[in-house]
Amino acid sequence: DAGVIQSPRHEVTEMGQEVTLRCKPISGHNSLFWYRQTMMRGLELLIYFNNNVPIDDSGMPEDRFSAKMPNASFSTLKIQPSEPRDSAVYFCASSEDGRSLPQHFGDGTRLSIL
Amino acid sequence: GQNIDQPTEMTATEGAIVQINCTYQTSGFNGLFWYQQHAGEAPTFLSYNVLDGLEEKGRFSSFLSRSKGYSYLLLKELQMKDSASYLCAVRDLDGGSQGNLIFGKGTKLSVKP
Repeated sequence: DAGVIQSPRHEVTEMGQEVTLRCKPISGHNSLFWYRQTMMRGLELLIYFNNNVPIDDSGMPEDRFSAKMPNASFSTLKIQPSEPRDSAVYFCASSEDGRSLPQHFGDGTRLSIL
Repeated sequence: GQNIDQPTEMTATEGAIVQINCTYQTSGFNGLFWYQQHAGEAPTFLSYNVLDGLEEKGRFSSFLSRSKGYSYLLLKELQMKDSASYLCAVRDLDGGSQGNLIFGKGTKLSVKP
């Protein structure tokens, strides 16, 4: 069975550039989560979608960050313009129904902003 | 507010037993998860506790005491492949998290031969 698929695995870009991270959740899962992981702050939730609708975006750092889920099998996280402090590993996760069930994580995107 | 505490690092010997503790402070507790994360990889789900007591799954067990705000993950018959970070995550229905998972910073376990 295919797990959560994220792309790219690694991204290195210069400050000010637009960055787009992509995620395909597990088929049949109706909840999708974007997380950011750093050494200092650990794993933090950025945004949570249920049935393609953003339910909680209180973790999105600022207006430079945006996320969309146009259909049940695809989501994007966009950073524009990017800054060095955005460097982190970004994980996408999905679960069958809401936040009470185990979440399955993708392999993550390691983002470096120079 | 919400707070989750775990030891930063632990070391144990192959074949031994290790207990990783997690304490939490939440106002609307609704379940605790343990995840394993190998270096450079994704977190993977290990266990879930919502009621007090011990949940056993093979070599891994997880315990919860809601009154004490305390959980532990017990790993038996340690293997080298168990070297990883172990993340404690709590679901809190109250406060700013609105039912989302709040993760601890993780405990990095090193298993020595």
